[in-house]
Amino acid sequence: QQQVKQSPQSLIVQKGGISIINCAYENTAFDYFPWYQQFPGKGPALLIAIRPDVSEKKEGRFTISFNKSAKQFSLHIMDSQPGDSATYFCAASGAGSYQLTFGKGTKLSVIP
Amino acid sequence: KAGVTQTPRYLIKTRGQQVTLSCSPISGHRSVSWYQQTPGQGLQFLFEYFSETQRNKGNFPGRFSGRQFSNSRSEMNVSTLELGDSALYLCASSLGSGAGNSPLHFGNGTRLTVT
Repeated sequence: QQQVKQSPQSLIVQKGGISIINCAYENTAFDYFPWYQQFPGKGPALLIAIRPDVSEKKEGRFTISFNKSAKQFSLHIMDSQPGDSATYFCAASGAGSYQLTFGKGTKLSVIP
Repeated sequence: KAGVTQTPRYLIKTRGQQVTLSCSPISGHRSVSWYQQTPGQGLQFLFEYFSETQRNKGNFPGRFSGRQFSNSRSEMNVSTLELGDSALYLCASSLGSGAGNSPLHFGNGTRLTVT
């Protein structure tokens, strides 16, 4: 079954702290792993994505770590800010497909 | 550049009715995908259209259908509505060469409530 398991369901982090969200996948055919950020009343927006040929990708305060052998990947948000408070979804697909399999989401709250 | 536009934003329908949702992609985008978002099941892929052809379909019953027009605009239809169809329906557009090459851009969705 093509599942992506995401944890934790919710996360509370102090301003300036590091937020870490983890995902695990089963289908070894997946070769594209994006993270989406969703604010209430809005659609998901692509935050950062990684392909399995690299183990880490960094864009500003956001970093994806990827472990192909363990079939796991994670999102790290450095220096978390109240404006980062949103729901984060990991996803996976074949790079040539638009059939993304999403995790169930993590609601992040960054408190001042 | 205008984003993905979905209309209407909110809909209330009764069980047994049918509904049509509309999506206008970003200019130049030829692929349109539809996703259903619910609190219980999360985001689930419905189908994807490219150049008026359905390229991929998710695991949903035949009551869910869609189409794409020559200007890349897309509609999805749900017939014989059930209470469980209450959800946020999201449309996403892209250039069409796969999510790894041209990422999905989501609209803000249509909130469907079935009573």
